[in-house]
Amino acid sequence: DGGITQSPKYLFRKEGQNVTLSCEQNLNHDAMYWYRQDPGQGLRLIYYSQIVNDFQKGDIAEGYSVSREKKESFPLTVTSAQKNPTAFYLCASSISGLSSYEQYFGPGTRLTVT
Amino acid sequence: SQQGEEDPQALSIQEGENATMNCSYKTSINNLQWYRQNSGRGLVHLILIRSNEREKHSGRLRVTLDTSKKSSSLLITASRAADTASYFCATEAIYRDDKIIFGKGTRLHILP
Repeated sequence: DGGITQSPKYLFRKEGQNVTLSCEQNLNHDAMYWYRQDPGQGLRLIYYSQIVNDFQKGDIAEGYSVSREKKESFPLTVTSAQKNPTAFYLCASSISGLSSYEQYFGPGTRLTVT
Repeated sequence: SQQGEEDPQALSIQEGENATMNCSYKTSINNLQWYRQNSGRGLVHLILIRSNEREKHSGRLRVTLDTSKKSSSLLITASRAADTASYFCATEAIYRDDKIIFGKGTRLHILP
């Protein structure tokens, strides 16, 4: 059953703690992405990776970090430096990093920081 | 920065009617994509239209692109309750190095 998974679905953390969101895909896609979605808003790109061991900052990378040690995995760490971390986080993948390919999305992780 | 902007922000129609939503963008693009998002879920790709195409169909979906007006429309014909969702356009501006930007979306509600 191919697809992209994110865990957990809901995550609660205290302010000042780092938290890591998981994203795994078995689609053999080269490119992976992390987006943030706030209520009533579109998606904003946090980080993306076009190939293993390489990643680039998106539009709102401050306070976040990623790694891409394996093709199928692209975890996102929300650090305590992120001023407003409560949001819905979406991971996506595509065959390649070219924009002409559709992106496949995971079900999302809703992070609440209090 | 916002590249694509959907209009209207919200739309309610009766089941069986057609739904039309629009996307306007600011700079020249290579292609434009439409995605659907059910409440609290991930996005699902619907259709991609390239800058040299004017119209594309997929089942009950019809997408048009007018590059002179920098706008696109998504038409859903014979709407069903299952079409209730948010619809986003995503554009890849020529200067954006292959990265796409999502609009804020149109929330579509199909009334029984």
